[in-house]
Amino acid sequence: EVVLTQSPGTLSLSPGERATLSCRASQTLSASYLAWYQQKPGQAPRLLIYGASRRATGIPDRFSGSGSGPEFTLTISRLEPEDFAVYYCQNYDGSPPWTFGQGTKVEIK
Amino acid sequence: EVLLVESGGDLVQPGGSLRLSCAAYGFSVRTSYMTWVRQAPGKGLEWVSVIYPDFTTYYAESVKGRFTISTDTSKNSLSLQMSSLRDEDTAVYYCARDHQWLDNHYQYGMDVWGQGTAVTVSS
Repeated sequence: EVVLTQSPGTLSLSPGERATLSCRASQTLSASYLAWYQQKPGQAPRLLIYGASRRATGIPDRFSGSGSGPEFTLTISRLEPEDFAVYYCQNYDGSPPWTFGQGTKVEIK
Repeated sequence: EVLLVESGGDLVQPGGSLRLSCAAYGFSVRTSYMTWVRQAPGKGLEWVSVIYPDFTTYYAESVKGRFTISTDTSKNSLSLQMSSLRDEDTAVYYCARDHQWLDNHYQYGMDVWGQGTAVTVSS
């Protein structure tokens, strides 16, 4: 089973700043199999990125994903007020279980 | 409109059983990969189970042998039958449409989510 470790646990930033979130896998992953989600309090998660770098339908271009092998990154170029949330990465490599990282909270500084 | 609506969450005693349902609108569960994900209070997301279009199923180790995922094509819905429930099964349970074949490639991600249904296991 692939273990995903996200860092930092919490990111304190101001609107307009750049956010860089990390997701490290316990083994090499194909980039095709890495997804990112955003979750706001009381809401279901929302798919942001699939295939490590492809934006899902309707996702603003300030969200971008990159990486390969065990290291992946979600970047929010300029934080908008609605971007303060918890972000999760998820692995689809191999057969299930398809694990999630523990999450990174992006909070207002 | 593409939509998922869960139901069935409740308070249940340890050792009890519960069946969650997830009605799909705007697409067919029969031709989709469908997944259950749960979130314990104040915790992160935990993948629970998936059913493939060919009815292949997989489960997290924590629920294997206790939970059963299935689809009902006549109702276009997804279900999760839960038995031998434990305190640690307390969570909001989400159903989601899982990876799809789009533009000549698989989009590995859950693009449609229900609103969640709360399960509390407590005496």
